[in-house]
Amino acid sequence: DTAVSQTPKYLVTQMGNDKSIKCEQNLGHDTMYWYKQDSKKFLKIMFSYNNKELIINETVPNRFSPKSPDKAHLNLHINSLELGDSAVYFCASSPPGREETQYFGPGTRLLVL
Amino acid sequence: DQQVKQNSPSLSVQEGRISILNCDYTNSMFDYFLWYKKYPAEGPTFLISISSIKDKNEDGRFTVFLNKSAKHLSLHIVPSQPGDSAVYFCAASPLTPRAGGTSYGKLTFGQGTILTVHP
Repeated sequence: DTAVSQTPKYLVTQMGNDKSIKCEQNLGHDTMYWYKQDSKKFLKIMFSYNNKELIINETVPNRFSPKSPDKAHLNLHINSLELGDSAVYFCASSPPGREETQYFGPGTRLLVL
Repeated sequence: DQQVKQNSPSLSVQEGRISILNCDYTNSMFDYFLWYKKYPAEGPTFLISISSIKDKNEDGRFTVFLNKSAKHLSLHIVPSQPGDSAVYFCAASPLTPRAGGTSYGKLTFGQGTILTVHP
């Protein structure tokens, strides 16, 4: 009965490949997010979707494309992976009216070789 | 340009003592502040928050203090317990000029402080 789940937990791939990370939440929340935690440990928001509508789109290379098939899922597709994409990616969701109180998934550790 | 900074990468305290974690911010538009706690191999979990109209918020052993003029907030844990050992992230949210005043969850996080509580 995991609240926010991500797959895979670990992802090791070669430069230039295309990969996807999936996220699902069973909390009934309307808003979902993707964050990147880089080597300096800062958590930086990448995207936010509210009821399948893109709300926040930070300065992220257009190789990153989020897709929300329904409000319980927010997937992240990354094209032409680069070394600098190596990071931990966290998915999160939040309830209506309390968007700052976010529930995070366990993270996906991406290593690009 | 880091708008939220936690200048102490780590803090070590004895069980039963007070832990004080600090956070500074630079953006005057930040209106709401939160602390998240993170264990290894898990995502951050919400701990406590404070609105800019308050200077203190308490929840059990956890108290957050906000000094708006200094753009500084702190998290006090009293008494500290070994289970509190984790990474603590400070986060801030702006009040954007939207209908209803929601920021749609746009949080800016600090880089975290590793707290170790020794038995």
